[in-house]
Amino acid sequence: DAGVIQSPRHEVTEMGQEVTLRCKPISGHDYLFWYRQTMMRGLELLIYFNNNVPIDDSGMPEDRFSAKMPNASFSTLKIQPSEPRDSAVYFCASSLFPSGSYGYTFGSGTRLTVV
Amino acid sequence: SQELEQSPQSLIVQEGKNLTINCTSSKTLYGLYWYKQKYGEGLIFLMMLQKGGEEKSHEKITAKLDEKKQQSSLHITASQPSHAGIYLCGADSLKWGNTPLVFGKGTRLSVIA
Repeated sequence: DAGVIQSPRHEVTEMGQEVTLRCKPISGHDYLFWYRQTMMRGLELLIYFNNNVPIDDSGMPEDRFSAKMPNASFSTLKIQPSEPRDSAVYFCASSLFPSGSYGYTFGSGTRLTVV
Repeated sequence: SQELEQSPQSLIVQEGKNLTINCTSSKTLYGLYWYKQKYGEGLIFLMMLQKGGEEKSHEKITAKLDEKKQQSSLHITASQPSHAGIYLCGADSLKWGNTPLVFGKGTRLSVIA
């Protein structure tokens, strides 16, 4: 397996534009997580899915953020409209279980810069 | 909600020196996980600790769990440039692990020659 694949690796966009981040989890992993990393707040959980169903989106900062998982092999995180404070590294991770016991596999992240 | 505090926030050590990173939880630790992040890359799993007093080693990295103190430490012996990166601790917030991991803010380690 190629691991968790995220695209794009880098995204620079202007304030107000729509941004879509993509993630392909490891095949067979039932859980998918979206995290955001900033210097100030560290690694924060935004939302997670179980078998393509969103379980907890309480970490999503605002209505401008939305996430979908239309099938077991693909998820998107969308920001519309984007703002400079959304600049961060966004990670997708997948796992067999929500507990860390079976290990989370992280993607390489998408570095988003909103100017 | 559970919070993990890591110390120090950043660390610069000379190659060959030993160092320790600490992770303290605001609540009981049921499972503690150490990850390493190379600059510009994703997180790589290092070790898992689940029992009080447990100690694990991998190459020159040793992690311990002090359940009573709700704390874990990561010790690197004879540091090398390859150890440079961001070390993050993560924890299961519930005993039966049905919730995602919460993470500390990380400790940024630089190793200089």
